[in-house]
Amino acid sequence: GAVVSQHPSWVICKSGTSVKIECRSLDFQATTMFWYRQFPKQSLMLMATSNEGSKATYEQGVEKDKFLINHASLTLSTLTVTSAHPEDSSFYICSARPSPGTDTQYFGPGTRLTVL
Amino acid sequence: KQEVTQIPAALSVPEGENLVLNCSFTDSAIYNLQWFRQDPGKGLTSLLLIQSSQREQTSGRLNASLDKSSGRSTLYIAASQPGDSATYLCATSGSRLTFGEGTQLTVNP
Repeated sequence: GAVVSQHPSWVICKSGTSVKIECRSLDFQATTMFWYRQFPKQSLMLMATSNEGSKATYEQGVEKDKFLINHASLTLSTLTVTSAHPEDSSFYICSARPSPGTDTQYFGPGTRLTVL
Repeated sequence: KQEVTQIPAALSVPEGENLVLNCSFTDSAIYNLQWFRQDPGKGLTSLLLIQSSQREQTSGRLNASLDKSSGRSTLYIAASQPGDSATYLCATSGSRLTFGEGTQLTVNP
């Protein structure tokens, strides 16, 4: 149980285009989902926290207009990288927390974004 | 602001060796500490979670300890195998998960 999927697993796009990444909790409902970014040989950096039905909370330095997050249901959150540029190339990982008041997060397999 | 540091950054050992990975954190006000495994290009696999009230957790050949007062945790891997080769991340849980930069482990046959 407690499986989180991400789609796509990898994507290559041209500079200036927008890319949407989906994060789904397959066998549980997630009141909170998290989006992380990981550059090569670096650790995961939290980008934003999204709660179902409300606006996402972005970490300092993360542009909310560039990284659009939607958490419209208890099993799906999406991250849209708008007007992507090569510096946005990274590994994006989501996680899902089953219920408030718990610390457990289940992580997705990640999405490799390459912007040419 | 919590800062998590992992030492060493990389480690290469022969198969069968016992090894210790270190994690230190600056703010001892944590809910728990987790150790994760990450294979190249993949997501995270949770290995062990130690609650703030606990001193250690064990799972198979893995043993993790936590010393909140000194801001340290160690992950002990017994009888290492080539399949243990991966990056190991520790993360503290407070208002959010804060990750260290990981230790890249290579176990040579």
